Amino acid sequence: GESVGLHLPTLSVQEGDNSIINCAYSNSASDYFIWYKQESGKGPQFIIDIRSNMDKRQGQRVTVLLNKTVKHLSLQIAATQPGDSAVYFCAESDYGGSQGNLIFGKGTKLSVKP
Amino acid sequence: GAGVSQSPRYKVTKRGQDVTLRCDPISSHATLYWYQQALGQGPEFLTYFNYEAQPDKSGLPSDRFSAERPEGSISTLTIQRTEQRDSAMYRCASSPEGGNTIYFGEGSWLTVV
Repeated sequence: GESVGLHLPTLSVQEGDNSIINCAYSNSASDYFIWYKQESGKGPQFIIDIRSNMDKRQGQRVTVLLNKTVKHLSLQIAATQPGDSAVYFCAESDYGGSQGNLIFGKGTKLSVKP
Repeated sequence: GAGVSQSPRYKVTKRGQDVTLRCDPISSHATLYWYQQALGQGPEFLTYFNYEAQPDKSGLPSDRFSAERPEGSISTLTIQRTEQRDSAMYRCASSPEGGNTIYFGEGSWLTVV
């Protein structure tokens, strides 16, 4: 199987701590942003999304923050668990997200220590 | 089907051969995408379909790459005269009409030797 994450930025956290994963995007016209989680050998899995008319959105244990001024996106994971260990990608779109080209960032590997 | 299904999962081919990868999207999903993902990188857009229409194929690296979705469901990605640089994971994804969430398949891992 594939071995994603060999040359990726890595974030190591202790189980139970909160994690913050950051992403900078480049296209000021992007109006839709998504965070994906990719476990080894698997396809990217949708976590949470946010539109450009919002600056914060919360899900179960996850929060996405969007700062359009500095074109910055972050994913906060509360009470990080070993099952959260994966590579996390942000993605952006300027098509409203309903179709077309999603542009993915480089990814961050999250490693959770028990 | 329950999820996006791709085949083959692994393909090793000799340089110069043609390969065809297959994607079976989630049932009734209108939109189907093809992405290429190199090791340690995020997926890169190749092309997408709305039913059988192909509005954007700007991400296809060269004219050796082509994709079809003749009946608006199953899609194939064909790479002609494969080169070593084509070695990558090829991921298919689908989303419902008007929906934002894109569901990825497990991918087809292509190795050109």
